[in-house]
Amino acid sequence: GESVGLHLPTLSVQEGDNSIINCAYSNSASDYFIWYKQESGKGPQFIIDIRSNMDKRQGQRVTVLLNKTVKHLSLQIAATQPGDSAVYFCAETNTGKLIFGQGTTLQVKP
Amino acid sequence: NAGVMQNPRHLVRRRGQEARLRCSPMKGHSHVYWYRQLPEEGLKFMVYLQKENIIDESGMPKERFSAEFPKEGPSILRIQQVVRGDSAAYFCASSPTRPPNTGELFFGEGSRLTVL
Repeated sequence: GESVGLHLPTLSVQEGDNSIINCAYSNSASDYFIWYKQESGKGPQFIIDIRSNMDKRQGQRVTVLLNKTVKHLSLQIAATQPGDSAVYFCAETNTGKLIFGQGTTLQVKP
Repeated sequence: NAGVMQNPRHLVRRRGQEARLRCSPMKGHSHVYWYRQLPEEGLKFMVYLQKENIIDESGMPKERFSAEFPKEGPSILRIQQVVRGDSAAYFCASSPTRPPNTGELFFGEGSRLTVL
C-alpha cells in the first residue's frame, strides 16, 4: 500500500550545526506535505508545510524541500538548538487525512 | 485560547473492560481526527469525523472500536473489551475545515491507554 517513510531512524548533530531530515513517499498523487515535531510525552506540533506545486518553502530556521521526481521530502533546520531535540515526522495527504511516516529522532549534542 | 483538549491523559484498564477517550476540539473547529501511536512508531489514522457524521473510518478496527462526535460535547473514541494490543497513545486533532485547505491539524496531548 501507499506509505511515507523516513530514511534514518536517528540523527545526532552538534549544537549549532545544521540538521537535514529526509523522507521518502510513495503516493505520487499526494499534493500536500507537512512536517511535525513531537517531543516526549506530547502531541505532534506543526512545523511547516508545502504543496506539490512548490519545491521549496522557508520558515523560521526551517526549510522544506520537495523533489517530486524522486518523491523525496526533506526538512532542514539551521543552527540546531537543544530545544530541537524531538522526533520528526513527515506526513502526506491527498484525501484530507494525514498519512504519517515512522519518524526520525533528532538528538542535539551540546 | 485553549487548544485541543484530551482526557484522560492516562488510562489503565484490565483486559475485557471498556475504555472511553474524550476529545474537545479547538473552539470553532468542526473536524476531528483520531490517530493511534504505538511505542516507537508513527501515528496511524483511525477515523475522521465532522459534527454528527463519520466521514472516513478506514483506519478503525472492524470490531470493538467506535467513534462519535455529537452535536454537543466532545468527540468520544470508545474501545470495548480491551486487549493488551490496544495499549497505545491515542491522539485527537481538530481543524476548522478539512485539510489540506487549512494548512495544518492541531493535535492534543494524547491519551495513553495501558491494558493490564
